[in-house]
Amino acid sequence: GAGVSQTPSNKVTEKGKYVELRCDPISGHTALYWYRQSLGQGPEFLIYFQGTGAADDSGLPNDRFFAVRPEGSVSTLKIQRTERGDSAVYLCASSLQGGSGYNEQFFGPGTRLTVL
Amino acid sequence: AQSVAQPEDQVNVAEGNPLTVKCTYSVSGNPYLFWYVQYPNRGLQFLLKYITGDNLVKGSYGFEAEFNKSQTSFHLKKPSALVSDSALYFCAVRPPTGGYQKVTFGTGTKLQVIP
Repeated sequence: GAGVSQTPSNKVTEKGKYVELRCDPISGHTALYWYRQSLGQGPEFLIYFQGTGAADDSGLPNDRFFAVRPEGSVSTLKIQRTERGDSAVYLCASSLQGGSGYNEQFFGPGTRLTVL
Repeated sequence: AQSVAQPEDQVNVAEGNPLTVKCTYSVSGNPYLFWYVQYPNRGLQFLLKYITGDNLVKGSYGFEAEFNKSQTSFHLKKPSALVSDSALYFCAVRPPTGGYQKVTFGTGTKLQVIP
């Protein structure tokens, strides 16, 4: 079956611009996660959705970052007033359920964001 | 707070030799532990997990990992390395308490299998 997909695969923008990154999870997965991966680092947690609601947004670095999942499926990560330090690969993952904790996460290929 | 350490940035091993990728963790209680692999230009793929039970866990592609509570380790192993195993490997941990808990990833270990 189809895995997690993310669009675009690459995004180049200028400092100060607004960007949206999209994630299509695996059908039927109620849990959705966003991570940020910088070069030489592991995925850094940003936000977790269970269904439509953001159950944990403690990883969002500041109020320029926001994410939505209005219908409990597709999610969009939004970054306002982008800064060069936002450059990274943004990963999306989904799992059957988030609460139980032992369900592995299925990752998308990521969106490489470059802020010039 | 929970944490994961992967002490080796890179591991080199000859094809056909056994490989070990190290992982230690810090978390309250008995953890849930995971290994993921990342191939170039691809997303992370799940390899195996330890939840409870037998300390030796077997996963995809012939990989296995051993949970050692006293040493707080969860090293990834494979008896005979393949060139195609060359990739970036991530260990991850989360606390076992009920309900949602955040997963923390290590910084990754690059495995290079030499033909």
